[in-house]
Amino acid sequence: GAGVSQSPRYKVAKRGQDVALRCDPISGHVSLFWYQQALGQGPEFLTYFQNEAQLDKSGLPSDRFFAERPEGSVSTLKIQRTQQEDSAVYLCASSTGTATGNTIYFGEGSWLTVV
Amino acid sequence: AQSVTQLGSHVSVSEGALVLLRCNYSSSVPPYLFWYVQYPNQGLQLLLKYTTGATLVKGINGFEAEFKKSETSFHLTKPSAHMSDAAEYFCAVSGSGNTGKLIFGQGTTLQVKP
Repeated sequence: GAGVSQSPRYKVAKRGQDVALRCDPISGHVSLFWYQQALGQGPEFLTYFQNEAQLDKSGLPSDRFFAERPEGSVSTLKIQRTQQEDSAVYLCASSTGTATGNTIYFGEGSWLTVV
Repeated sequence: AQSVTQLGSHVSVSEGALVLLRCNYSSSVPPYLFWYVQYPNQGLQLLLKYTTGATLVKGINGFEAEFKKSETSFHLTKPSAHMSDAAEYFCAVSGSGNTGKLIFGQGTTLQVKP
């Protein structure tokens, strides 16, 4: 597709369940970002990949959160033992280069509700 | 560290009226600044960005923003609001380093009244 694609769009998980969220960035985009957006808030940075290398994971809130991009294209964000405070929209974004100021394109997000 | 403050979580205007959404930033290095729009149940779409050069930046859908270094501001304006402009608007600044990661404000909900 032409844009950033995320799946699933909606996920309801029971507390304690593990979830995996998938992101297909725009073809050829080197940089990939994950953001978390709580209800009524702005997106908050979670982690950044340059190709397959995870260069910044300073925003991951706990060791229950894990992200990977093994072949430098598709990425997966995994949340283990989900808790209610994990309920949020998880946004994936990509850009062509690595420089500050490059346009970053966002997907429509994966809406996670933990019950 | 870099940060963004959006003044006013909700702004309401009449159709045809001027739109002004306020954004102030904090940055220890020359900032790159962005405005994104988010419609319900959708991702973020870039409206415009300032990197270098001209301080008045024009974007899509008739929006523009002016970078004012002395005021550390990057306010978003549109001369005449349309009903279709009703959405959530986010101001963002590029983080330090070369990753290009964005630091967002809390957002401003724009309501357009007929």
